[in-house]
Amino acid sequence: AQTVTQSQPEMSVQEAETVTLSCTYDTSESDYYLFWYKQPPSRQMILVIRQEAYKQQNATENRFSVNFQKAAKSFSLKISDSQLGDAAMYFCAYRSAYGKLTFGTGTRLQVTL
Amino acid sequence: DAGVTQSPTHLIKTRGQQVTLRCSPKSGHDTVSWYQQALGQGPQFIFQYYEEEERQRGNFPDRFSGHQFPNYSSELNVNALLLGDSALYLCASSVTGARGYTFGSGTRLTVV
Repeated sequence: AQTVTQSQPEMSVQEAETVTLSCTYDTSESDYYLFWYKQPPSRQMILVIRQEAYKQQNATENRFSVNFQKAAKSFSLKISDSQLGDAAMYFCAYRSAYGKLTFGTGTRLQVTL
Repeated sequence: DAGVTQSPTHLIKTRGQQVTLRCSPKSGHDTVSWYQQALGQGPQFIFQYYEEEERQRGNFPDRFSGHQFPNYSSELNVNALLLGDSALYLCASSVTGARGYTFGSGTRLTVV
């Protein structure tokens, strides 16, 4: 079974600064996808960024980028130029071949002025 | 563009009762998955429906059952409610084989 570990329950960053959220996972599969989701108080899971395991190039979406280390089974999220609206719970998730998502326990990100 | 719609948004039930939660997938999506998110935790996979059949199931007891209708909407039923069933229940829809998922805002179930 796959597991996803987020070791940072809470993180804080100043507005306009950069923060990195950590995620490690365990799997025996070779083909999979990894995601970062944002969950604001509205409760809806919003996709931030995704990475295909077969791609060596790290995914980037505007201010969000990942550092995907397949051999180390590490998938960290970097948020640049942090904004107040980035404050939320962030979940790392693994997608298996059948589409099941396995989530980590989340990291609460606070953004301060 | 209508996303995933879940109803109701909040629900309070008594221990031992039964509950039905509903999900309408995003237009064009044919697969529906259900997740349980306890307070302070990440979502846990309950099951996935495609073509009106349960395709995959997580580690949940048989008290949790579901259904998918021909219009792809889905229901999650929980029988003999326990206090520990109190959680946010999220529905996610997707197109079979696609990578992306769209989540609803969830139903907050409180069992007293």
